[in-house]
Amino acid sequence: DSGVTQTPKHLITATGQRVTLRCSPRSGDLSVYWYQQSLDQGLQFLIQYYNGEERAKGNILERFSAQQFPDLHSELNLSSLELGDSALYFCASSVEGPIYGYTFGSGTRLTVV
Amino acid sequence: DQQVKQNSPSLSVQEGRISILNCDYTNSMFDYFLWYKKYPAEGPTFLISISSIKDKNEDGRFTVFLNKSAKHLSLHIVPSQPGDSAVYFCAATYSGNTPLVFGKGTRLSVIA
Repeated sequence: DSGVTQTPKHLITATGQRVTLRCSPRSGDLSVYWYQQSLDQGLQFLIQYYNGEERAKGNILERFSAQQFPDLHSELNLSSLELGDSALYFCASSVEGPIYGYTFGSGTRLTVV
Repeated sequence: DQQVKQNSPSLSVQEGRISILNCDYTNSMFDYFLWYKKYPAEGPTFLISISSIKDKNEDGRFTVFLNKSAKHLSLHIVPSQPGDSAVYFCAATYSGNTPLVFGKGTRLSVIA
């Protein structure tokens, strides 16, 4: 157990639907990062939150949004889902910057049918 | 635009031999590099890192080498063990604060 909890582990949904992925960071970590891993792709950075505020944005589609709550857990909302959104979505947390290493959760596998 | 490239999707090595995984980067602002290891159905786990002020960092069987002029780094595993079979990701950041940029990964298979 890495200390970063992601739920659900698996999600199957239809095109056009909306889903919410949840992440609880490791205790004490203020930063949360979301990454997407599609087939044959590396980990693509989506968005970072630090202590409730958006800190950095990567290749995140407009159909996707995220937030970090006062208890530091984070949610990634994916809407108007398309087949191409099928991927592994990872959440990671860190106490400071990434040079101290991220701790990753085990991911949510999203399948859009 | 791939700023971090791992050009070998897979590598197969015999147990006891050296495994060398390579990584190239294009952004000269990167000043900190990390390697992560990923087993199936698990998230990536941190393995080893190196700052741009160094050219080598060692941790047990794992050594990372950095060649800044060539914008190239490599991870050496000696000796390789079957438990090392996993996907290895190279990652980079700059100013110690920007989110990590990952390569596509190299799948290492260590054959007994």
